[in-house]
Amino acid sequence: QVQLVESGGGVVQPGRSLRLSCAASGSTFTNSGLHWVRQAPGKGLEWVGMVSYDGSNKYYADSMKGRISISRDNIRNMLYLQMNTLRVEDTAVYYCVTEGVSEWSITGYDKWGQGTRVIVSS
Amino acid sequence: DIVLTQSPDSLAVSLGEKATINCKSSRSVLHRSNNKNYLTWYQQKPGQPPKLLIYWASTREDGVPDRFSGSGSETDFNLTISSLQAEDVAVYYCQQWYVTPPVTFGGGTKVEIK
Repeated sequence: QVQLVESGGGVVQPGRSLRLSCAASGSTFTNSGLHWVRQAPGKGLEWVGMVSYDGSNKYYADSMKGRISISRDNIRNMLYLQMNTLRVEDTAVYYCVTEGVSEWSITGYDKWGQGTRVIVSS
Repeated sequence: DIVLTQSPDSLAVSLGEKATINCKSSRSVLHRSNNKNYLTWYQQKPGQPPKLLIYWASTREDGVPDRFSGSGSETDFNLTISSLQAEDVAVYYCQQWYVTPPVTFGGGTKVEIK
């Protein structure tokens, strides 16, 4: 059973950078695509981006493309989100999530971390 | 991008009564090769991360009570709670996997007790 723990959030000024981490414990997640999803205060869920199981493919939301980079370390069971040139509108809780798979088809996000809060403010 | 529109934004239902949430997709999410609708439902309780309830539009995740059911196909989907319990107070989101990236979510529906 995979457990996910995010870290690295905090208060940061606009224009600065932040690196979020997600540590997986329990079963490894090396066979799963990994995603970041964020939720602004009082708002809905927004997909940020993802990395394939082996790190070879990465996709990013248009709202953050060019400012973020997602990477993973399957030896250390870690996922990362590097965010640059942060904006006030990037303020949100950032969740690390794993893809569930059944019958060779994605089912949804079957594991979620508790999230790490990022506040972008001057 | 596929746009998911949920309705209503919120609803209040008496304990033991039925609650139904609708999710409409801007295009079909039915994968004809395996006849699966790539539509997932989540439940998010206050202060918690979302929890996967139903995938492929109608398949309950392990451990999800059978009062939760999903229905629909192609562009029109429903999540039904057959007999609302106090612990079902939450925001519910639909999500599509048919065309990615990006993965997209509906705007959410807040369910409360009347």
